[in-house]
This record gives sequence, C-alpha cells and structure tokens, in this order.
Amino acid sequence: DTAVSQTPKYLVTQMGNDKSIKCEQNLGHDTMYWYKQDSKKFLKIMFSYNNKELIINETVPNRFSPKSPDKAHLNLHINSLELGDSAVYFCASSQDRSSGNTIYFGEGSWLTVV
Amino acid sequence: AQKVTQAQTEISVVEKEDVTLDCVYETRDTTYYLFWYKQPPSGELVFLIRRNSFDEQNEISGRYSWNFQKSTSSFNFTITASQVVDSAVYFCALSPPTYGGSQGNLIFGKGTKLSVKP
Repeated sequence: DTAVSQTPKYLVTQMGNDKSIKCEQNLGHDTMYWYKQDSKKFLKIMFSYNNKELIINETVPNRFSPKSPDKAHLNLHINSLELGDSAVYFCASSQDRSSGNTIYFGEGSWLTVV
Repeated sequence: AQKVTQAQTEISVVEKEDVTLDCVYETRDTTYYLFWYKQPPSGELVFLIRRNSFDEQNEISGRYSWNFQKSTSSFNFTITASQVVDSAVYFCALSPPTYGGSQGNLIFGKGTKLSVKP
C-alpha cells in the first residue's frame, strides 16, 4: 500500500481550465502538505494542514485552494490555470506539526499547462 | 534567515568511486533538524535520513554515510562505491522549530544531480 498517494500522476490541460489533484495518506498522520517543484527542481512549500486546519499558507496565488475533508485527505484545486503553473506538485504528510518529524512525500503530480 | 545551500549543481562519477555531496545550512535557531532526500529519475522523493541539531554523531547506513558538523554548519552526504542506481537528484533540507509560520516545514536546497556512469 502506498503511504501517500496522489492522483493524477500526469495532467496536461489548457490555460484557463480548472483542475484538481487529490491526495490521501494512510499513515495516520495529522499533518499534510503541498509542495511545488519548479522546472529547476526547486522545492517549496505551498500549504500545510494539521487536522484539517490550515497552518501554513505561503505566498501562493488565490487561484490555488487546498481542501481537507478529513485529516487523511488534502486536495489541491487550481482555478484559471496559467502556463507558469506547470510544475510537479508533491503531497506529503508527517506525524504532526512539530519540527523534525519526517515528512513523507507522494510520487508527485506532473502538471503541464499548454 | 533560514537557508540551505548545495553548491554542487551536478556531479558525475564512474561506478565504484566514492562521492560526497555537500550541504551547508544557515539558521539562528539552536534546535533544528536536517534531512536528506533522494529523487531518482522516476521522480518520487525518498527520505534518506533525519538528524537533530544536538546529535553530531556521524551516521552510516550501508554505503551511505553522513557527516554533521555544527561548527561549519554542514551536513555532508557520502556514497561509498557508487552504483548506477545511485543516479538521482539529492536534496538537503532544514526543518526549523515549531513556532511562527514555519511549523513542520522543510526548507530545501536546490539539489545536486548525481550521475553514476558504468
């Protein structure tokens, strides 16, 4: 069983569309994250949720809206997609929000906006 | 400011060579954690090691070893007798304390791409 699973793995879509990436973890963790990896491989946090509560919201455009229906799921919805949104999006989870917990990543979702 | 620097953008070695990946970090905190992750060509991020700032013992796991030196703010990673399967991008990351807006966050370096040729 995959610990952190996200779907779809690959997504090609046109500018202006709205798309969602789903994420689920079966580790029983309280905290989940979305990270973005750009074309230069740089990884940066976008959001963090702890028990369905938003705790980190980096400077991400309002077009990105995370939703956590329960602590095992953290979905990412993106409105009005732009070319610059093309990237790899990683979902991740950790035991709780404490510093030093190992963060386990999903396999990534490759988003290409054309 | 919190920052992680991996000065080596790309390294190429021949199989069975030893290789060291450098990681230098900046933080004003006295308590923090350091991590290494591996991203193989298939793209997933694989956790390798976690180290807290109070534990400066070096760690060895098979062909992998890590050298943590607080005095130089470095957490270097050595692969002994490298293999083709070690080819990947390796990321060093810093986790600051749990306060402020950075709870549980990972601050990544830009990664080092390691190519091991047969």
